[in-house]
Amino acid sequence: GAGVSQTPSNKVTEKGKYVELRCDPISGHTALYWYRQSLGQGPEFLIYFQGTGAADDSGLPNDRFFAVRPEGSVSTLKIQRTERGDSAVYLCASSLAAGGPAEQFFGPGTRLTVL
Amino acid sequence: AQSVAQPEDQVNVAEGNPLTVKCTYSVSGNPYLFWYVQYPNRGLQFLLKYITGDNLVKGSYGFEAEFNKSQTSFHLKKPSALVSDSALYFCAVRDFTGGGNKLTFGTGTQLKVEL
Repeated sequence: GAGVSQTPSNKVTEKGKYVELRCDPISGHTALYWYRQSLGQGPEFLIYFQGTGAADDSGLPNDRFFAVRPEGSVSTLKIQRTERGDSAVYLCASSLAAGGPAEQFFGPGTRLTVL
Repeated sequence: AQSVAQPEDQVNVAEGNPLTVKCTYSVSGNPYLFWYVQYPNRGLQFLLKYITGDNLVKGSYGFEAEFNKSQTSFHLKKPSALVSDSALYFCAVRDFTGGGNKLTFGTGTQLKVEL
């Protein structure tokens, strides 16, 4: 079946602009996660949704970052007033259930470059 | 907080030889441990996980991992390496702090398998 998809695959923007990154999880997966991966680093957690609600947003670096999942499926990560330090690969993952040992399945990521 | 460490930035091995990629963990309570692989310009792919039970876990593509509680390690192994195994490998632990289910990743180990 189809895996996690993310659009766009690449996004180049200028400092100060607003960007939206989209994630389409595996059908039937109730849990959705956003991570950020900087060059040479492992992914770092940003936010996690169980259904429509953000169950844990402790990884969002500041209030410029916001994410929604209005219908419990597709999610959008929104970044306001982008800064050069926001440049990274943004990864989305989904899992069948939020709790317990369910593994997370990752999308290919969106590479964000802020000039 | 839960954490994992990957002490080697890079591991080189000849094709046909056994490989080991090291991971140690620091958790409170029983750990849920995972290995993921990342090929260039692609998302992370799940390899295997340890939740409970048998200390030797078998996963995809002939990989296995050994959970060692006394040494707090979860090393990834394969009896005979292939050139196609060359990729970036991440160890991760499920972090339940804050009520979430995020994964905390290590910094990654680049595996290079040479002919």
